[in-house]
Amino acid sequence: GAGVSQSPSNKVTEKGKDVELRCDPISGHTALYWYRQSLGQGLEFLIYFQGNSAPDKSGLPSDRFSAERTGGSVSTLTIQRTQQEDSAVYLCASSQGADRTDTQYFGPGTRLTVL
Amino acid sequence: GDSVTQMEGPVTLSEEACLTINCTYTATGYPSLFWYVQYPGEGLQLLLKATKADDKGSNKGFEATYRKETTSFHLEKGSVQVSDSAVYFCALPPGGTYKYIFGTGTRLKVLA
Repeated sequence: GAGVSQSPSNKVTEKGKDVELRCDPISGHTALYWYRQSLGQGLEFLIYFQGNSAPDKSGLPSDRFSAERTGGSVSTLTIQRTQQEDSAVYLCASSQGADRTDTQYFGPGTRLTVL
Repeated sequence: GDSVTQMEGPVTLSEEACLTINCTYTATGYPSLFWYVQYPGEGLQLLLKATKADDKGSNKGFEATYRKETTSFHLEKGSVQVSDSAVYFCALPPGGTYKYIFGTGTRLKVLA
């Protein structure tokens, strides 16, 4: 079946502009994660959604970052007033349920470049 | 707080050499431990996992044993292939949360 998809694959924007990144998880997966991968760094947790529960936003680096998940499926990560330090690959992952042993399935990522 | 420490890369090996990539962790309790792999041009995918102490995860000839005494989850393979060239990430969900911590990744390059 289809895996996790993300769009766009690449985004170049100017400092100060807003961007929206989209994630389509695997159908039926209730858990959805967003991570940020900066050059030479590991993955940095941003936010976690589980079904219709309130998301865990504790990893968002500033109030310029927000995310929503509509209908328990598609998710959008929004970065307002982008800064150069926001340049990174943004990864989305989904997993089947709420078990911490569940495998996360990752999308290909969106490479964001802020000029 | 909880953390994961991986050995620095890159690691360069000849085909059929033995591989060990070290991963040590600091955690509250005994979380599940994971190795994810990112092949060139592809997304991250699960390589193996262990859900409790002394468990051994294995896949594609790779193994890792969850050792609580040494708080380690080292990745091993007896004979690497060129196709194993990738970046390997150790990970855990800390403190009963879903805020997964990933190591910085270890790049492996296998030469023919």
